[in-house]
Amino acid sequence: GAVVSQHPSWVICKSGTSVKIECRSLDFQATTMFWYRQFPKQSLMLMATSNEGSKATYEQGVEKDKFLINHASLTLSTLTVTSAHPEDSSFYICSAVRDAGGGYGYTFGSGTRLTVV
Amino acid sequence: GDSVTQMEGPVTLSEEAFLTINCTYTATGYPSLFWYVQYPGEGLQLLLKATKADDKGSNKGFEATYRKETTSFHLEKGSVQVSDSAVYFCALSDLKTNAGKSTFGDGTTLTVKP
Repeated sequence: GAVVSQHPSWVICKSGTSVKIECRSLDFQATTMFWYRQFPKQSLMLMATSNEGSKATYEQGVEKDKFLINHASLTLSTLTVTSAHPEDSSFYICSAVRDAGGGYGYTFGSGTRLTVV
Repeated sequence: GDSVTQMEGPVTLSEEAFLTINCTYTATGYPSLFWYVQYPGEGLQLLLKATKADDKGSNKGFEATYRKETTSFHLEKGSVQVSDSAVYFCALSDLKTNAGKSTFGDGTTLTVKP
């Protein structure tokens, strides 16, 4: 149980185009999902917190107009990288919070490798 | 704010050697502590976790004990295998104080040679 599916696993796009990444909780409801970004050989940096039915909360320094987050249902959050540029190339990972009955757990997606050319 | 400090890598060991990766943390509340593993080109996989002081998390031969007095959560394995080669991340999260956001260490790259 507690599976998070992230799609696509990799994508190559041209500069100036937009790319949508989906994060789905397959067997549980997630009112909160997080989006992280990971540069090569570095750690994960939190970009934003996605809450179902409300606006996302962005971390300092993250452009909300560039990284659009939508959490339309309890099982789906999407991250859209708008007008992508080569510097947006990175590994993006989502995680979903679930109530584990007396505790809570986090499940991470498998990540999306974005390359902007 | 919360922070996690991990032992710098890379770490190179021979098969069947003993592994320790140090992790210390700073937190305002009482977080849960996690170790994640990341294989090349893949996402994160939860390796083990501990939710309160003195808890021991264990999985696949790996262990870590939540030490509140030393604010540490060191990862250990008695006998590593080549298949354990990966990047290991120590992390903390506290649903009550920071809405469940995870704070990660910088990661430690482990290479196990036959």
